[in-house]
Amino acid sequence: ETGVTQSPTHLIKTRGQQVTLRCSSQSGHNTVSWYQQALGQGPQFIFQYYREEENGRGNFPPRFSGLQFPNYSSELNVNALELDDSALYLCASSPRETSNYNEQFFGPGTRLTVL
Amino acid sequence: GNSVTQMEGPVTLSEEAFLTINCTYTATGYPSLFWYVQYPGEGLQLLLKATKADDKGSNKGFEATYRKETTSFHLEKGSVQVSDSAVYFCALRKSGGYQKVTFGTGTKLQVIP
Repeated sequence: ETGVTQSPTHLIKTRGQQVTLRCSSQSGHNTVSWYQQALGQGPQFIFQYYREEENGRGNFPPRFSGLQFPNYSSELNVNALELDDSALYLCASSPRETSNYNEQFFGPGTRLTVL
Repeated sequence: GNSVTQMEGPVTLSEEAFLTINCTYTATGYPSLFWYVQYPGEGLQLLLKATKADDKGSNKGFEATYRKETTSFHLEKGSVQVSDSAVYFCALRKSGGYQKVTFGTGTKLQVIP
């Protein structure tokens, strides 16, 4: 069973550019969530995708957008990059159940540096 | 809204010392509670979880008990090892709705030989 994978591992961009981060969910998992973890902080929820639609969003501006594909993989897109976007971006997948027992499985993250 | 507060670090302990990392939460309803661990340069790994009041989660010698009356989920280990050095995050996921997880700010643990 393959876990959650993310690409690229590291990325350096300049202010104003656009970036796309990718995530492959764990086998059998149809829900993907994205988190931003600034240095020394806990992860902050960006949004979640289920059945190719966004079904929950945290306090992030519209320049943070995403996609989910039929194979449940996902992309996070950030437009007009700002210096404060420098962070570790984590993807987490989980099966969509109504049970309260579900947990999210995290990938290793993509380290984005904005110069 | 939901929030998690955990003790600030860093926490420095000698090997074989007893560990406690405090965590309290604010949430409506009956959230699930988690401890995640993050080793240097890596993503998050689930350490343990508890889904209802008085449940005790345990893994790799770590334990935490879901205390609804004090809204707490303190992490404990009887004898830490150097390999336990990492950042520990307390987190909650509210019942129902989409599966957003709310994290604390993390507590860095350093265990010295």
